[in-house]
Amino acid sequence: AQKVTQAQTEISVVEKEDVTLDCVYETRDTTYYLFWYKQPPSGELVFLIRRNSFDEQNEISGRYSWNFQKSTSSFNFTITASQVVDSAVYFCALSAGWASGNTPLVFGKGTRLSVIA
Amino acid sequence: GAVVSQHPSRVICKSGTSVKIECRSLDFQATTMFWYRQFPKKSLMLMATSNEGSKATYEQGVEKDKFLINHASLTLSTLTVTSAHPEDSSFYICSAPGTGFDGYTFGSGTRLTVV
Repeated sequence: AQKVTQAQTEISVVEKEDVTLDCVYETRDTTYYLFWYKQPPSGELVFLIRRNSFDEQNEISGRYSWNFQKSTSSFNFTITASQVVDSAVYFCALSAGWASGNTPLVFGKGTRLSVIA
Repeated sequence: GAVVSQHPSRVICKSGTSVKIECRSLDFQATTMFWYRQFPKKSLMLMATSNEGSKATYEQGVEKDKFLINHASLTLSTLTVTSAHPEDSSFYICSAPGTGFDGYTFGSGTRLTVV
């Protein structure tokens, strides 16, 4: 069985601060995909990143960066110089199998980020 | 890109009535659709997987007779909440696999309020 743990339920930061959202996962599959999604108050899910289990390279996209470490089963997400528009709920998710999309996602409980001006 | 159109986006219904939620794949065929439910301030939990032309697969604890899922065509999957009660108030969202950049294409969600 797969499991995703986001230990931080809520985080508040002041604008321009950096913030890291933690994600720890469990799976017995050797091939799997990890994801981060942003959910604004409107509810839709905004895709941020997908990583497969064979690619441990860290990734940076603008103010966003991700640190994937198989040794600790973690896939943490850092927002640099946070902005008010970053306020949302962020979900880490996992899907097992060779092809991303063919199996349902297992979501963590989410971290609610509030960025205060 | 691939789009899953989900309707309605919001619905308020009276207790005891039924509500149908539609997810329609635009410009692509979805042989499978995942249905998730999200209670307020909670995570998204898989309810069921619908497959075109066959019976849906429900997750443990999800009542098949209450949440009717139909996947009658390659472009349409529906979820009907029958005899809705206030505890069914939730955010329902569908997802078709293998289509979006991330491997999934999500609908925009339906916020159901049962009064």
